Amino acid sequence: DTAVSQTPKYLVTQMGNDKSIKCEQNLGHDTMYWYKQDSKKFLKIMFSYNNKELIINETVPNRFSPKSPDKAHLNLHINSLELGDSAVYFCASSHGRGQGKYEQYFGPGTRLTVT
Amino acid sequence: EDQVTQSPEALRLQEGESSSLNCSYTVSGLRGLFWYRQDPGKGPEFLFTLYSAGEEKEKERLKATLTKKESFLHITAPKPEDSATYLCAVQAGTALIFGKGTTLSVSS
Repeated sequence: DTAVSQTPKYLVTQMGNDKSIKCEQNLGHDTMYWYKQDSKKFLKIMFSYNNKELIINETVPNRFSPKSPDKAHLNLHINSLELGDSAVYFCASSHGRGQGKYEQYFGPGTRLTVT
Repeated sequence: EDQVTQSPEALRLQEGESSSLNCSYTVSGLRGLFWYRQDPGKGPEFLFTLYSAGEEKEKERLKATLTKKESFLHITAPKPEDSATYLCAVQAGTALIFGKGTTLSVSS
């Protein structure tokens, strides 16, 4: 059973298009995240949701909008895609604060290529 | 500012040649230090969490240790299948702050 899954795994699109990436976790976690890994393999937090509430929103263009329909799902919508958005996007999940376990479990990643 | 620095950037070992990876960190109020393994084309795979100085965790050929300023990932008698990028991260608030990783190559 896949713990954290993402779709699609690869996404190739043109500049100016709007696209979405979906994430689902079956670990029973209540906090989910989106990370971006750039071409130099540096992994950086973008957003964090706890119980469907946005709790972290790093300096990310407002063309990026996360949406969490329930605790097990966190989607990422990207509008007006730009060349610089090309990267690998990872979804992750963890228990929330107060539960003593903060390790995050990552999905397989979505490689976004903007041409 | 919370920061994680890993060294070396790349490490080449012969099979059986033990070594250590370093992770230096600066964080206000450490809630946890994490080690992950990442294989090409895959997501980071959780290895260890360390919470306080002096703590050690082991898994097969890997052993992670923690001091107040740094963590080490010791690899004993590595095998080619240990080749991967090893990422260190600290808990800052809710998010993880990652280092840039050490890419380990083990040749037979």
